[in-house]
Amino acid sequence: SAVISQKPSRDICQRGTSLTIQCQVDSQVTMMFWYRQQPGQSLTLIATANQGSEATYESGFVIDKFPISRPNLTFSTLTVSNMSPEDSSIYLCSVRGGLIRGSYNEQFFGPGTRLTVL
Amino acid sequence: TQLLEQSPQFLSIQEGENLTVYCNSSSVFSSLQWYRQEPGEGPVLLVTVVTGGEVKKLKRLTFQFGDARKDSSLHITAAQPGDTGLYLCAGGFRNSGGSNYKLTFGKGTLLTVNP
Repeated sequence: SAVISQKPSRDICQRGTSLTIQCQVDSQVTMMFWYRQQPGQSLTLIATANQGSEATYESGFVIDKFPISRPNLTFSTLTVSNMSPEDSSIYLCSVRGGLIRGSYNEQFFGPGTRLTVL
Repeated sequence: TQLLEQSPQFLSIQEGENLTVYCNSSSVFSSLQWYRQEPGEGPVLLVTVVTGGEVKKLKRLTFQFGDARKDSSLHITAAQPGDTGLYLCAGGFRNSGGSNYKLTFGKGTLLTVNP
């Protein structure tokens, strides 16, 4: 597996502001993903972070709202822009492949960033 | 769209009881992964099953993948308070072009084991 860290672990933000979440992995990975988990719900994929190119967004998520960077094989950021209370969620970084590749293409998750928007 | 139905959504049992969580779909998956998530933490991978009919055991946890690779179950024997958490199943599939592998998550089963 991999050691995945996220910063910040939690934050409380005001409506209309932006927050950037960082994800750092201790090994080079092929794929990096960002998920959202709203209270009491399952995981929803926001986007796949592509190294050196624009992220691939899932239906319902757009780059202007959730800009993503991935400058190398171990690091990515997700920004939640112009926040509203509906953005209050846990945001999770997830990785797969590369040096952490298991036998079955397993996917691993960071500890999450708990965001509350007032 | 590949959908995974997970049941039950909530389960509260006493320590020592057995339980089974189900994960069903109309789609065929390349693999099926089970995760456990505790409050304030990210999901932790428990097991991956890839072969139809496969059974894997992890101490008191038994995981089964259906013959047609459309469903899976998680059985816990003699549950303990430490088993409390959100159990998530996730099916892996490739898109029609075969170039993109994605996970689809079930809604989760929130298990509470009371001492």
